[in-house]
Amino acid sequence: AQSVTQPDIHITVSEGASLELRCNYSYGATPYLFWYVQSPGQGLQLLLKYFSGDTLVQGIKGFEAEFKRSQSSFNLRKPSVHWSDAAEYFCAVGPINTGTASKLTFGTGTRLQVTL
Amino acid sequence: DAGVIQSPRHEVTEMGQEVTLRCKPISGHDYLFWYRQTMMRGLELLIYFNNNVPIDDSGMPEDRFSAKMPNASFSTLKIQPSEPRDSAVYFCASRGDNQETQYFGPGTRLLVL
Repeated sequence: AQSVTQPDIHITVSEGASLELRCNYSYGATPYLFWYVQSPGQGLQLLLKYFSGDTLVQGIKGFEAEFKRSQSSFNLRKPSVHWSDAAEYFCAVGPINTGTASKLTFGTGTRLQVTL
Repeated sequence: DAGVIQSPRHEVTEMGQEVTLRCKPISGHDYLFWYRQTMMRGLELLIYFNNNVPIDDSGMPEDRFSAKMPNASFSTLKIQPSEPRDSAVYFCASRGDNQETQYFGPGTRLLVL
């Protein structure tokens, strides 16, 4: 069964500092990997995704993530955090199945707090 | 594109009452998903549809929960009777065929007293 682990429940960083949110997955084959962000009272917004190819993917809002197969990780990074990045971040994994729906499995989320 | 639309955004009801949550997926999307988010259990998939047909309802907690999709542009999630432990945020998401990205609605925050 597929699973996602986000080991950090809560992270606080200063505005302007760099950020790395960790995500480890368990899956029997190459998965689809996603990072979503949820602002308070809002739905989930897709930040970026990885299907294949270049293991460093760029997303919106200056975020990037790197897929490391050997470590079963898909960590999210941002070189300089802005106060507006304060939100909850979810990593998700889904199977590569053409023509069928992929059931995404979500991690428990990491809440990011940004101090000024 | 208006995105996934959910209504109501907030619902407060008393235990035992029927609750109906509504979702309009993105036009042209063939798949629709219902999720529940709680502090204790995180984000859980309840059920999903493909071309209006329920494909997997293994996440539906119990018989008090039911979901329908009478047409491509509308789905409901019904709880009858509701219980306090059903209090959560319920999200609807949709995606297109042969695509893997799910697009989420803003959610319905349900409080059962």
